[in-house]
Amino acid sequence: SQQGEEDPQALSIQEGENATMNCSYKTSINNLQWYRQNSGRGLVHLILIRSNEREKHSGRLRVTLDTSKKSSSLLITASRAADTASYFCATGNSGYALNFGKGTSLLVTP
Amino acid sequence: DTAVSQTPKYLVTQMGNDKSIKCEQNLGHDTMYWYKQDSKKFLKIMFSYNNKELIINETVPNRFSPKSPDKAHLNLHINSLELGDSAVYFCASSYSGGETDTQYFGPGTRLTVL
Repeated sequence: SQQGEEDPQALSIQEGENATMNCSYKTSINNLQWYRQNSGRGLVHLILIRSNEREKHSGRLRVTLDTSKKSSSLLITASRAADTASYFCATGNSGYALNFGKGTSLLVTP
Repeated sequence: DTAVSQTPKYLVTQMGNDKSIKCEQNLGHDTMYWYKQDSKKFLKIMFSYNNKELIINETVPNRFSPKSPDKAHLNLHINSLELGDSAVYFCASSYSGGETDTQYFGPGTRLTVL
């Protein structure tokens, strides 16, 4: 069953700007992951945040998790044209699978 | 070397036909998955296998039959194809299937049923 819902569905920004996308989920989780999908490609793992963490950084990525609101956000700082992709949050499905949201399509224009 | 590979990349076929998609991973992972991504990019789990054993079989028509001959391979056979089967099918693998595992995805197979 679908767990995550990303917001906004689509986001268009210029190079150098920051991009923020949000994910809301319905049930309790142990961790939440973010994946990126370039057009015509498979998904690539970006970052995992555990339920006892509030914030995590990886390069230009910053992820936050608010378990009380059942939401997470992904911030990409100083975006580049190469960041153009769809971004998905995913939560565990009792192990052995992930539930993905519908994704946020990010367009970064030069 | 490609970590998770799928063949074919594109598959165009007529309604009623039977087709197979193959998946191989060279990561030494124990768990493999099939996901279906529809035209709205919604990605849904279909099956997962751990050590060749079926673990998850979501609400998928029994026209879809996965087969795992060994830990490195998970194939998907589809009988009597229907228009609604048109989608992109992704194979993925992970180390053990745990919730904190990173999943590694193949490039996808775009299936078009005419």
